[in-house]
Amino acid sequence: AQSVTQLGSHVSVSEGALVLLRCNYSSSVPPYLFWYVQYPNQGLQLLLKYTTGATLVKGINGFEAEFKKSETSFHLTKPSAHMSDAAEYFCAVSRGTGNQFYFGTGTSLTVIP
Amino acid sequence: GAVVSQHPSWVICKSGTSVKIECRSLDFQATTMFWYRQFPKQSLMLMATSNEGSKATYEQGVEKDKFLINHASLTLSTLTVTSAHPEDSSFYICSARVGTSSYEQYFGPGTRLTVT
Repeated sequence: AQSVTQLGSHVSVSEGALVLLRCNYSSSVPPYLFWYVQYPNQGLQLLLKYTTGATLVKGINGFEAEFKKSETSFHLTKPSAHMSDAAEYFCAVSRGTGNQFYFGTGTSLTVIP
Repeated sequence: GAVVSQHPSWVICKSGTSVKIECRSLDFQATTMFWYRQFPKQSLMLMATSNEGSKATYEQGVEKDKFLINHASLTLSTLTVTSAHPEDSSFYICSARVGTSSYEQYFGPGTRLTVT
């Protein structure tokens, strides 16, 4: 079975500070991992994904995430937070091609000016 | 590319009526579409998987007679909430997968349903 745990339902950072959003997964097979961002009353926008290959993945808007198999983690980071980063972030795991997504409970990011 | 649209983006209906939500893949053919439900401040919960030309597969606990899903073409899936009640008020999001072997899902912008 697949599952995703996002530690911290709310994270607040100061503008310019490091953003770290945590995601741990469980999967009986090599997972495909995704981070999505959702702004109020909007759908999901893909930030980045890991399927195979390099474990450090760079995405849009300066975000990146590192797949650590030994820790079963896929934490999302950004060196310097911007006000426009305030949104809800979802980590998701897929079992691979053709399989459904399982979403974490989400982390609401607040950026303090 | 890979744009998914939903219509309407926002709908209010009276209790007891039915409402249909459309999900379209605009620039690709989607063999499989997914329907999710999202309550305020919560995550997305998969409701059903819709395959073109066949019956939808519903997740446990989702009433198939209440949430009717039709995937009649490779670019359109519809979700009909029948006899809607206030507890059906939610944000409904669809996604579409390119081909049968792709891991990518492209999400629509969502439909806000309010039942009064």
